[in-house]
Amino acid sequence: KNQVEQSPQSLIILEGKNCTLQCNYTVSPFSNLRWYKQDTGRGPVSLTIMTFSENTKSNGRYTATLDADTKQSSLHITASQLSDSASYICVVRGNSGNTPLVFGKGTRLSVIA
Amino acid sequence: EAQVTQNPRYLITVTGKKLTVTCSQNMNHEYMSWYRQDPGLGLRQIYYSMNVEVTDKGDVPEGYKVSRKEKRNFPLILESPSPNQTSLYFCASRPNRHTEAFFGQGTRLTVV
Repeated sequence: KNQVEQSPQSLIILEGKNCTLQCNYTVSPFSNLRWYKQDTGRGPVSLTIMTFSENTKSNGRYTATLDADTKQSSLHITASQLSDSASYICVVRGNSGNTPLVFGKGTRLSVIA
Repeated sequence: EAQVTQNPRYLITVTGKKLTVTCSQNMNHEYMSWYRQDPGLGLRQIYYSMNVEVTDKGDVPEGYKVSRKEKRNFPLILESPSPNQTSLYFCASRPNRHTEAFFGQGTRLTVV
């Protein structure tokens, strides 16, 4: 069964610190993986997309990595800010017909002063 | 401005009273979807549509209906809402199956 598992479920860090969120998936065949940021009460917004051939991709203070062999991805946030407080959702798309997107349950990040 | 617009943003209704949540996108996207988001369960797909007059069930379609009479609109219909349909609903659209999904702002529905 196609699944996406994220860890930790929730995380609290001090402003200015770095953190890493994890995503493991079993979706096969694999097409791409996206990290979304969802602020409370709002819709998710895409941060990065990773395809099979990409290992690392950065978007400002966000850096995503992908290991397609082990089916793992991480999202590293550098020098966290209060505005980084949100849920981060890992979404994987398979490469088979009209495979729907498979969503992780998200990691709830709280950045505190 | 490119966007996905849902209405209403908040709705409280009673069991059994039919309701419709509208979704409209101005990006000429082929694909549109409806999701519900519940604590501890994440986003789950209700229905999706690959084009006008083409709709398919997602993971949790029971109790819902959709229609896609025109490309820009994809309403979600609850014929007889029940309390277990209390949730946060998101509409999303994307140009094709390879691209980013753009989400609406969400509709928080409470069925009492």
